[in-house]
Amino acid sequence: AAGVIQSPRHLIKEKRETATLKCYPIPRHDTVYWYQQGPGQDPQFLISFYEKMQSDKGSIPDRFSAQQFSDYHSELNMSSLELGDSALYFCASSWDLRKNTGELFFGEGSRLTVL
Amino acid sequence: AQSVTQLDSQVPVFEEAPVELRCNYSSSVSVYLFWYVQYPNQGLQLLLKYLSGSTLVKGINGFEAEFNKSQTSFHLRKPSVHISDTAEYFCAVKWRGAQKLVFGQGTRLTINP
Repeated sequence: AAGVIQSPRHLIKEKRETATLKCYPIPRHDTVYWYQQGPGQDPQFLISFYEKMQSDKGSIPDRFSAQQFSDYHSELNMSSLELGDSALYFCASSWDLRKNTGELFFGEGSRLTVL
Repeated sequence: AQSVTQLDSQVPVFEEAPVELRCNYSSSVSVYLFWYVQYPNQGLQLLLKYLSGSTLVKGINGFEAEFNKSQTSFHLRKPSVHISDTAEYFCAVKWRGAQKLVFGQGTRLTINP
């Protein structure tokens, strides 16, 4: 069965650079979520999109932005990178959880290292 | 505020011993409960979930969890662990009407031979 695809799997950037992570949800899933997991930390919710519109916002820095496109894939753009942005970034997809009790399906994550 | 608490950050056990990983959440309103496992350098894999019905739910790899509404808990158990169960375990809660999952801090399960 198709899973959530994230790219790239690993990314190394310098401070103050920009990075873009991509997420391709499971087909027919209409909701995408982004989570950030720092070293030894639990996943922290950043932002979610339902039907291409932002549906919820968590602890996402102003330097970050995200969007969901017409094909439901999502991109997380991170600018002016800081050392503290080094983390594992997870994307997850689901049907709209406000209507369904179903689980989130997570991708393998994109590991960002800022030097 | 809605929160999820995993009381133990690390749990060391011997192989073939039983284990319980504890999870409590902040509110007793309608919730959906999940346990995820994360093996080193890997993503999050669903172990089991409670949506409704029987309070005892069984998941993959021999794990089970029990929903206790009065104690707002969802503890994870396995009667006999294996070396391959070494991983980080996350409890997660979705409150009805909310969209996102809120994760606990995680419990690192270490199995000693």
